[in-house]
Amino acid sequence: QVQLQESGPGLVKPSETLSLMCTVSGYSISSGYHWGWIRQSPGKGLEWIGSIYHSGTTYYNSSLKSRITISVDTSKNQFSLNLTSVTAADTAMYYCATLPFAWGQGITVTVSS
Amino acid sequence: DIQMTQSPSTLSASVGDRVTITCRASQSVGDWLAWYRQKPGKAPNLLIYKASTLDIGVPSRFSGSGSGTEFTLTISSLQPDDFATYYCQQYNSYFWTFGQGTKVEIK
Repeated sequence: QVQLQESGPGLVKPSETLSLMCTVSGYSISSGYHWGWIRQSPGKGLEWIGSIYHSGTTYYNSSLKSRITISVDTSKNQFSLNLTSVTAADTAMYYCATLPFAWGQGITVTVSS
Repeated sequence: DIQMTQSPSTLSASVGDRVTITCRASQSVGDWLAWYRQKPGKAPNLLIYKASTLDIGVPSRFSGSGSGTEFTLTISSLQPDDFATYYCQQYNSYFWTFGQGTKVEIK
């Protein structure tokens, strides 16, 4: 059974870069599937940020495309998210997932000085 | 991008009620449609995938139907555990999209 776990800082300063890692267990990323990031601002709905295939092909939400980079490290069975130039609007719970079948538990990220 | 629209946004119901939530896609997604239930502070939990296939361990009171652009999630007899927010999500396109959510409240 595939399991995902997010890690990274819970507090990021405005204008800096938010960097998160997702560690996958129970399944090899190299075997397939798309691996993605989703976020949920307080009291709001789910927003897909972007996804990556094991080959490295990426798919990004057009509203965030200029600020995001998703990469994969198949040797460590991990994939990562970088979101640049963050503002308070990027404060959210961030989930990694391979949809529809598995989600991480989520990590709260607050953007504040 | 494919837009997903859920209705209603909020639904008030009682234990034992039959509840139906609708999800419409801006273009066909085939049957690549999932439904999730989310409780406060928790990650979404998969209920149904491929429009009508119940995930393992999901109670049989949940059912899904539809294909193309119109889908429904039905809860045949609402239980206390079901007061939560429900989301549809398409994965026909690699650019995943979610509906805005339907909050099921106690009447």
